[in-house]
Amino acid sequence: ETGVTQSPTHLIKTRGQQVTLRCSSQSGHNTVSWYQQALGQGPQFIFQYYREEENGRGNFPPRFSGLQFPNYSSELNVNALELDDSALYLCASSLGTSGGPHTDTQYFGPGTRLTVL
Amino acid sequence: QKEVEQNSGPLSVPEGAIASLNCTYSDRGSQSFFWYRQYSGKSPELIMFIYSNGDKEDGRFTAQLNKASQYVSLLIRDSQPSDSATYLCAVKGYGGSQGNLIFGKGTKLSVKP
Repeated sequence: ETGVTQSPTHLIKTRGQQVTLRCSSQSGHNTVSWYQQALGQGPQFIFQYYREEENGRGNFPPRFSGLQFPNYSSELNVNALELDDSALYLCASSLGTSGGPHTDTQYFGPGTRLTVL
Repeated sequence: QKEVEQNSGPLSVPEGAIASLNCTYSDRGSQSFFWYRQYSGKSPELIMFIYSNGDKEDGRFTAQLNKASQYVSLLIRDSQPSDSATYLCAVKGYGGSQGNLIFGKGTKLSVKP
């Protein structure tokens, strides 16, 4: 069974640029959630995708957008990068999203470290 | 604003001791509670979840939940230097689009040999 994978592992961009981060969910998982983790902080929820539809969004501006594909892999796109976007971006997958803790437990990928200069 | 609070630490315990990590949450509608371990520079790794009041044991780890007090804790018995990490408490509600986890800032644990 393959776990959650993310690419790339590290990325350096400059202010104003755009970036796309990718995530492959664990086998059998149809739900992907994205989180941003700044240094010294807990992960902050960006949004979740369930069966290719957005299923909830955190307090992030519209320049953060996403997609989920038929194979349940997902992308996070960030436009007009700002210095404060520098963080570890985490993708987590789960079997479902509202079936109780046994299906909703989220497993994290290794993350993408984004640095904005 | 739904919040999850943890002492940031660092919490320092000697090898072989019991480490006690605490977490409080603000949303009474929260139904599932998760503990993750995060080593420096790595992603969070699930330790265990709990959803019923009382204790749940898994090896050296015991999670405790008290919904009336809105309090969840994690005990680590026989602490080892390899347990040195940041421990994240996460809370999840249900209904609507509440599919996300709300995390605390984490408690940094240091186990001294």
